[in-house]
Amino acid sequence: DAGITQSPRHKVTETGTPVTLRCHQTENHRYMYWYRQDPGHGLRLIHYSYGVKDTDKGEVSDGYSVSRSKTEDFLLTLESATSSQTSVYFCASGIQGPGNTIYFGEGSWLTVV
Amino acid sequence: SQQGEEDPQALSIQEGENATMNCSYKTSINNLQWYRQNSGRGLVHLILIRSNEREKHSGRLRVTLDTSKKSSSLLITASRAADTASYFCATDDNTDKLIFGTGTRLQVFP
Repeated sequence: DAGITQSPRHKVTETGTPVTLRCHQTENHRYMYWYRQDPGHGLRLIHYSYGVKDTDKGEVSDGYSVSRSKTEDFLLTLESATSSQTSVYFCASGIQGPGNTIYFGEGSWLTVV
Repeated sequence: SQQGEEDPQALSIQEGENATMNCSYKTSINNLQWYRQNSGRGLVHLILIRSNEREKHSGRLRVTLDTSKKSSSLLITASRAADTASYFCATDDNTDKLIFGTGTRLQVFP
């Protein structure tokens, strides 16, 4: 299994507070992704990165920002959390682009109250 | 949105039966992948089929791709209780995005 870890794994936060989720991979993968998973919607792409400092928006990027200052770390920040951002967040990474296998972390459960 | 849709949303079968799930997508693609997710876990890659391929096999898995209909199917033969999971298709086009469908929940009863 690819070495992808997410932190925190579970978090409860209050509306309006900033939240940062961290994804760390030890595989030297170039590509990294953040998805959210909600019932009835499957996985939706929030942001992705195709290299250090190279990021782009996905399908549902409003209210989220990302940063990638090192190959191994991809941070997802909710600037001001809202209840609609209660979800399970998955990070993934791949050595090449999306036409190849990507490997997922175990997820971060975020509840915004 | 390019997001694919799996059909059916849920499927219940007995051990030993075959399970077929379908994926439809909206735009032209380069590749289509299938992933599996056990409850409460991350997704795991099963198989990839390229747009110029029509069929691919891996163990008990058979994937077909019909680009004219923008659809794919995943067949699991001789299913086992351990195959109980959610299954997702994912597509990529000429961007760096990998877009997932909504998933099929498969329940295999012993």
